[in-house]
Amino acid sequence: DAGITQSPRHKVTETGTPVTLRCHQTENHRYMYWYRQDPGHGLRLIHYSYGVKDTDKGEVSDGYSVSRSKTEDFLLTLESATSSQTSVYFCAISEGRQGNAEAFFGQGTRLTVV
Amino acid sequence: GQQVMQIPQYQHVQEGEDFTTYCNSSTTLSNIQWYKQRPGGHPVFLIQLVKSGEVKKQKRLTFQFGEAKKNSSLHITATQTTDVGTYFCAGDTGTASKLTFGTGTRLQVTL
Repeated sequence: DAGITQSPRHKVTETGTPVTLRCHQTENHRYMYWYRQDPGHGLRLIHYSYGVKDTDKGEVSDGYSVSRSKTEDFLLTLESATSSQTSVYFCAISEGRQGNAEAFFGQGTRLTVV
Repeated sequence: GQQVMQIPQYQHVQEGEDFTTYCNSSTTLSNIQWYKQRPGGHPVFLIQLVKSGEVKKQKRLTFQFGEAKKNSSLHITATQTTDVGTYFCAGDTGTASKLTFGTGTRLQVTL
């Protein structure tokens, strides 16, 4: 498996609290992505990064922000968690732009907002 | 925006039967990727198709990219219990550094 680690693996948080999920890679890949996975929706892109401090929005970015201050770390922040953000979150990395290169996924973070 | 749909959403087969999942995009794709996710696991890359009409095989799995580059299929011959999981296609329009994933087809195989 590619060197990609997500933390925490599980988290329960209360509505209205901020939450930060971390994705750490040891592959030195340029591109990093955050997805959420919900039944019936497949994988939906939240935000992605194409380099240090270079990020862009995906299809479901409302309520989420990201930061990438160094190549190996990509942080996803839920500014004020809501129950609709209960989901499984996956980080992915790719060496080239995702359409041209294989994406490697982390193990996922199961987030429950109560 | 781009939409990628997969059918069926779920299929249950007996071991040894064949299985096919279909992927359809609302827009023309520059290429398409397929991923498999085992229950409780994370998506794992299977293959990428780039050319119109391309067909690729991996043992019992056959992947096809449509002539118009708007659809794709994955066919598994003689399924085994190890094939259990959800299969996702993911399409790239070539205009951004991201893929649009299909909704997935969950395959259940029983003895």
